[in-house]
Amino acid sequence: QKEVEQDPGPLSVPEGAIVSLNCTYSNSAFQYFMWYRQYSRKGPELLMYTYSSGNKEDGRFTAQVDKSSKYISLFIRDSQPSDSATYLCAMSPGNTPLVFGKGTRLSVIA
Amino acid sequence: GAGVSQSPRYKVTKRGQDVTLRCDPISSHATLYWYQQALGQGPEFLTYFNYEAQPDKSGLPSDRFSAERPEGSISTLTIQRTEQRDSAMYRCASSLRWDSDLGELFFGEGSRLTVL
Repeated sequence: QKEVEQDPGPLSVPEGAIVSLNCTYSNSAFQYFMWYRQYSRKGPELLMYTYSSGNKEDGRFTAQVDKSSKYISLFIRDSQPSDSATYLCAMSPGNTPLVFGKGTRLSVIA
Repeated sequence: GAGVSQSPRYKVTKRGQDVTLRCDPISSHATLYWYQQALGQGPEFLTYFNYEAQPDKSGLPSDRFSAERPEGSISTLTIQRTEQRDSAMYRCASSLRWDSDLGELFFGEGSRLTVL
Protein backbone atom coordinates (compact mmCIF):
# COMPACT_ATOMS: atom_id res chain seq x y z
CA GLN A 1 0.00 0.00 0.00
CA LYS A 2 1.35 3.40 -0.97
CA GLU A 3 1.66 6.11 1.67
CA VAL A 4 -0.74 8.36 -0.26
CA GLU A 5 -3.69 7.06 -2.25
CA GLN A 6 -5.56 9.15 -4.80
CA ASP A 7 -8.14 8.06 -7.35
CA PRO A 8 -6.69 8.94 -10.77
CA GLY A 9 -10.11 9.50 -12.38
CA PRO A 10 -10.64 10.82 -14.97
CA LEU A 11 -13.41 13.00 -13.60
CA SER A 12 -15.64 14.92 -16.00
CA VAL A 13 -18.13 17.54 -14.76
CA PRO A 14 -20.26 20.28 -16.34
CA GLU A 15 -19.28 23.91 -15.92
CA GLY A 16 -20.59 25.34 -12.66
CA ALA A 17 -20.54 22.03 -10.79
CA ILE A 18 -19.00 21.53 -7.37
CA VAL A 19 -16.00 19.24 -7.60
CA SER A 20 -14.74 17.09 -4.75
CA LEU A 21 -11.25 15.59 -4.91
CA ASN A 22 -9.72 13.56 -2.12
CA CYS A 23 -6.75 11.57 -0.88
CA THR A 24 -6.17 9.11 1.92
CA TYR A 25 -2.87 8.48 3.62
CA SER A 26 -1.32 6.03 6.03
CA ASN A 27 1.48 7.99 7.73
CA SER A 28 0.12 9.63 10.89
CA ALA A 29 3.22 11.84 11.06
CA PHE A 30 2.08 13.90 8.07
CA GLN A 31 1.47 17.50 9.18
CA TYR A 32 1.71 19.53 5.97
CA PHE A 33 -0.90 18.98 3.28
CA MET A 34 -0.87 20.55 -0.13
CA TRP A 35 -2.77 20.49 -3.38
CA TYR A 36 -0.89 21.09 -6.60
CA ARG A 37 -2.49 21.72 -9.98
CA GLN A 38 -0.76 20.48 -13.10
CA TYR A 39 -1.82 21.60 -16.56
CA SER A 40 -0.96 19.41 -19.50
CA ARG A 41 2.75 19.46 -20.36
CA LYS A 42 3.50 21.78 -17.45
CA GLY A 43 5.05 21.38 -14.00
CA PRO A 44 2.85 21.22 -10.88
CA GLU A 45 1.92 24.54 -9.24
CA LEU A 46 0.90 25.00 -5.61
CA LEU A 47 -2.82 25.62 -5.22
CA MET A 48 -3.55 25.17 -1.51
CA TYR A 49 -1.42 24.65 1.59
CA THR A 50 -2.74 23.48 4.98
CA TYR A 51 -0.94 22.76 8.20
CA SER A 52 -2.45 20.07 10.46
CA SER A 53 -6.25 19.66 10.62
CA GLY A 54 -9.01 22.01 9.59
CA ASN A 55 -10.30 23.93 6.63
CA LYS A 56 -8.79 26.59 4.44
CA GLU A 57 -10.64 28.61 1.85
CA ASP A 58 -9.24 30.61 -1.05
CA GLY A 59 -11.77 31.95 -3.50
CA ARG A 60 -13.56 29.03 -5.14
CA PHE A 61 -11.24 26.49 -3.52
CA THR A 62 -11.58 24.88 -0.09
CA ALA A 63 -9.09 22.42 1.38
CA GLN A 64 -10.08 20.17 4.27
CA VAL A 65 -7.90 17.94 6.41
CA ASP A 66 -9.27 15.27 8.75
CA LYS A 67 -6.26 13.79 10.50
CA SER A 68 -8.36 11.40 12.58
CA SER A 69 -9.53 9.72 9.36
CA LYS A 70 -6.28 10.36 7.46
CA TYR A 71 -8.33 11.96 4.70
CA ILE A 72 -7.92 15.24 2.85
CA SER A 73 -10.23 16.91 0.36
CA LEU A 74 -10.22 19.74 -2.14
CA PHE A 75 -13.53 21.31 -3.16
CA ILE A 76 -13.90 23.52 -6.22
CA ARG A 77 -17.06 25.61 -6.39
CA ASP A 78 -18.52 26.97 -9.63
CA SER A 79 -16.03 24.96 -11.66
CA GLN A 80 -14.74 26.52 -14.87
CA PRO A 81 -13.24 24.98 -18.04
CA SER A 82 -9.95 26.62 -16.99
CA ASP A 83 -9.96 24.33 -13.92
CA SER A 84 -9.40 21.35 -16.24
CA ALA A 85 -6.08 19.92 -15.08
CA THR A 86 -4.59 17.15 -12.97
CA TYR A 87 -4.83 17.77 -9.22
CA LEU A 88 -2.12 16.25 -7.06
CA CYS A 89 -2.29 15.95 -3.30
CA ALA A 90 1.04 16.08 -1.48
CA MET A 91 2.03 15.77 2.15
CA SER A 92 4.98 15.63 4.52
CA PRO A 93 5.80 15.36 8.22
CA GLY A 94 7.68 18.64 7.83
CA ASN A 95 11.37 18.00 7.49
CA THR A 96 11.28 15.43 4.72
CA PRO A 97 10.38 15.85 1.08
CA LEU A 98 6.78 15.87 -0.10
CA VAL A 99 5.06 12.60 -0.94
CA PHE A 100 2.65 12.99 -3.85
CA GLY A 101 -0.50 11.15 -4.80
CA LYS A 102 -1.01 9.87 -8.36
CA GLY A 103 -3.13 12.86 -9.29
CA THR A 104 -6.78 13.09 -10.39
CA ARG A 105 -7.43 14.28 -13.93
CA LEU A 106 -10.36 16.70 -14.05
CA SER A 107 -12.22 17.93 -17.11
CA VAL A 108 -14.80 20.72 -16.78
CA ILE A 109 -17.06 20.77 -19.81
CA ALA A 110 -18.52 24.09 -21.00
CA GLY B 1 16.55 33.18 -12.58
CA ALA B 2 12.84 33.98 -12.66
CA GLY B 3 11.78 30.35 -12.57
CA VAL B 4 13.22 26.84 -12.40
CA SER B 5 14.90 26.02 -15.68
CA GLN B 6 15.62 22.48 -16.85
CA SER B 7 17.55 21.20 -19.83
CA PRO B 8 17.28 19.42 -22.11
CA ARG B 9 13.48 19.46 -22.40
CA TYR B 10 13.60 16.23 -24.39
CA LYS B 11 16.28 13.58 -24.55
CA VAL B 12 16.18 10.39 -26.59
CA THR B 13 19.01 7.96 -25.97
CA LYS B 14 19.90 4.37 -26.61
CA ARG B 15 19.96 1.77 -23.89
CA GLY B 16 23.35 1.66 -22.20
CA GLN B 17 24.24 5.31 -22.81
CA ASP B 18 24.80 7.80 -20.01
CA VAL B 19 22.63 10.93 -19.74
CA THR B 20 22.95 14.09 -17.69
CA LEU B 21 20.04 16.37 -16.92
CA ARG B 22 20.48 19.89 -15.65
CA CYS B 23 18.46 22.08 -13.30
CA ASP B 24 18.92 25.78 -12.66
CA PRO B 25 16.76 26.69 -9.62
CA ILE B 26 15.35 30.04 -8.59
CA SER B 27 18.42 32.00 -7.51
CA SER B 28 17.44 32.69 -3.88
CA HIS B 29 16.33 29.11 -3.16
CA ALA B 30 18.31 26.97 -0.75
CA THR B 31 16.65 23.65 -1.42
CA LEU B 32 16.52 21.72 -4.68
CA TYR B 33 14.61 18.50 -5.32
CA TRP B 34 14.65 15.91 -8.06
CA TYR B 35 11.48 13.95 -8.76
CA GLN B 36 10.67 11.31 -11.37
CA GLN B 37 7.18 11.41 -12.88
CA ALA B 38 5.92 8.55 -15.02
CA LEU B 39 2.98 9.12 -17.35
CA GLY B 40 -0.27 9.27 -15.41
CA GLN B 41 1.50 9.20 -12.06
CA GLY B 42 2.45 11.73 -9.43
CA PRO B 43 6.04 12.84 -8.91
CA GLU B 44 8.19 10.31 -7.05
CA PHE B 45 10.99 11.67 -4.86
CA LEU B 46 14.55 10.90 -5.94
CA THR B 47 16.86 13.14 -3.90
CA TYR B 48 17.27 16.64 -2.58
CA PHE B 49 19.92 19.23 -1.68
CA ASN B 50 20.18 21.92 0.94
CA TYR B 51 22.67 24.20 -0.75
CA GLU B 52 25.43 21.72 -1.73
CA ALA B 53 24.64 19.13 0.97
CA GLN B 54 22.63 16.09 -0.08
CA PRO B 55 20.82 14.89 3.07
CA ASP B 56 18.62 12.30 1.41
CA LYS B 57 19.15 10.21 -1.68
CA SER B 58 16.94 7.36 -0.59
CA GLY B 59 14.66 7.72 -3.62
CA LEU B 60 17.34 7.07 -6.21
CA PRO B 61 16.28 3.77 -7.86
CA SER B 62 19.77 2.32 -8.19
CA ASP B 63 23.45 3.22 -8.03
CA ARG B 64 23.24 4.12 -11.73
CA PHE B 65 21.56 7.35 -10.62
CA SER B 66 23.56 10.17 -9.06
CA ALA B 67 23.07 13.86 -8.50
CA GLU B 68 25.26 16.74 -7.52
CA ARG B 69 25.03 20.43 -6.72
CA PRO B 70 28.66 21.39 -6.18
CA GLU B 71 28.25 25.14 -5.66
CA GLY B 72 24.80 25.12 -4.12
CA SER B 73 23.05 26.43 -7.22
CA ILE B 74 22.84 24.44 -10.48
CA SER B 75 22.30 20.71 -10.10
CA THR B 76 22.78 17.76 -12.42
CA LEU B 77 21.17 14.34 -12.38
CA THR B 78 23.18 11.66 -14.14
CA ILE B 79 21.88 8.25 -15.16
CA GLN B 80 24.56 5.80 -16.20
CA ARG B 81 23.98 2.80 -18.48
CA THR B 82 20.38 3.83 -19.12
CA GLU B 83 17.65 1.20 -19.28
CA GLN B 84 14.22 1.41 -20.90
CA ARG B 85 12.56 1.56 -17.47
CA ASP B 86 14.37 4.87 -16.86
CA SER B 87 12.09 6.51 -19.46
CA ALA B 88 10.10 9.17 -17.59
CA MET B 89 9.76 12.89 -16.98
CA TYR B 90 12.41 14.12 -14.57
CA ARG B 91 11.30 17.18 -12.65
CA CYS B 92 13.38 19.57 -10.64
CA ALA B 93 11.85 21.79 -7.97
CA SER B 94 13.27 24.39 -5.64
CA SER B 95 12.10 26.03 -2.45
CA LEU B 96 13.22 28.95 -0.38
CA ARG B 97 13.44 27.15 2.96
CA TRP B 98 14.73 23.78 4.01
CA ASP B 99 13.76 23.67 7.68
CA SER B 100 10.64 22.24 9.29
CA ASP B 101 8.26 24.91 7.95
CA LEU B 102 7.88 23.58 4.45
CA GLY B 103 8.07 26.18 1.77
CA GLU B 104 6.30 26.11 -1.56
CA LEU B 105 7.98 23.97 -4.19
CA PHE B 106 8.42 25.62 -7.57
CA PHE B 107 8.70 23.06 -10.34
CA GLY B 108 10.46 23.30 -13.65
CA GLU B 109 8.88 22.10 -16.88
CA GLY B 110 10.85 18.89 -16.70
CA SER B 111 13.17 16.85 -18.88
CA ARG B 112 11.47 14.03 -20.74
CA LEU B 113 13.82 11.08 -21.15
CA THR B 114 13.13 8.30 -23.63
CA VAL B 115 15.43 5.30 -23.65
CA LEU B 116 15.18 3.18 -26.79
